Amino acid sequence: EVQLVESGGGLVQPGRSLKLSCAASGFTFSDYNMAWVRQAPKKGLEWVATISYDGSSTYYRDSVKGRFTISRDNAKSTLYLQMDSLRSEDTATYYCASLYGYTPDYWGQGVMVTVSS
Amino acid sequence: DIQMTQSPPVLSASVGDRVTLSCKASQNINKNLDWYQQKHGEAPKLLIYYTNNLQTGIPSRFSGSGSGTDYTLTISSLQPEDVATYYCYQYNSGPWTFGGGTKLELK
Repeated sequence: EVQLVESGGGLVQPGRSLKLSCAASGFTFSDYNMAWVRQAPKKGLEWVATISYDGSSTYYRDSVKGRFTISRDNAKSTLYLQMDSLRSEDTATYYCASLYGYTPDYWGQGVMVTVSS
Repeated sequence: DIQMTQSPPVLSASVGDRVTLSCKASQNINKNLDWYQQKHGEAPKLLIYYTNNLQTGIPSRFSGSGSGTDYTLTISSLQPEDVATYYCYQYNSGPWTFGGGTKLELK
């Protein structure tokens, strides 16, 4: 059974940093591209970043480019999202997802990030 | 960026109804479109990929169709457990974008 379990969320002040993790199991993690998708409170879904199966390629939405870094450790079957210079508009539930092609097929349960002073 | 517009924003229907949800892209997305179901407090779940392919384990009452800029998710006979918000998602070109969602309620 595929499982994706996010951790690392919480309350953080504007301008500070936070690092999210996503532990994967039930599939060969190193074979799959992965992504982060977020959802602001009572809002819709927003793609954030994607990383290739081997970590060689990364893609970001413009609003997080230069502030967020997606990475992975295939030996640990873990996906990361380093979030720096956080803003109030980054407040959201962050989901990690495995990609079938470009399709997010399996999703974690999500982790909440609140950026507030 | 490709804009995805879903309609209607809210849909009320009765158990057993045939329900149609629409998604319109701001440009041709070449059928590179998925549909997701999100129940309250849960993560999204993939229903349909590449316009009309049913994800494993999803009931056959769900189906998708479309081409070019116009896409549809159909539920052939609405069940109480189908109450949720439904999102379309395009991956034809970056940044990959979701529609604003259609909230499906029981009448």
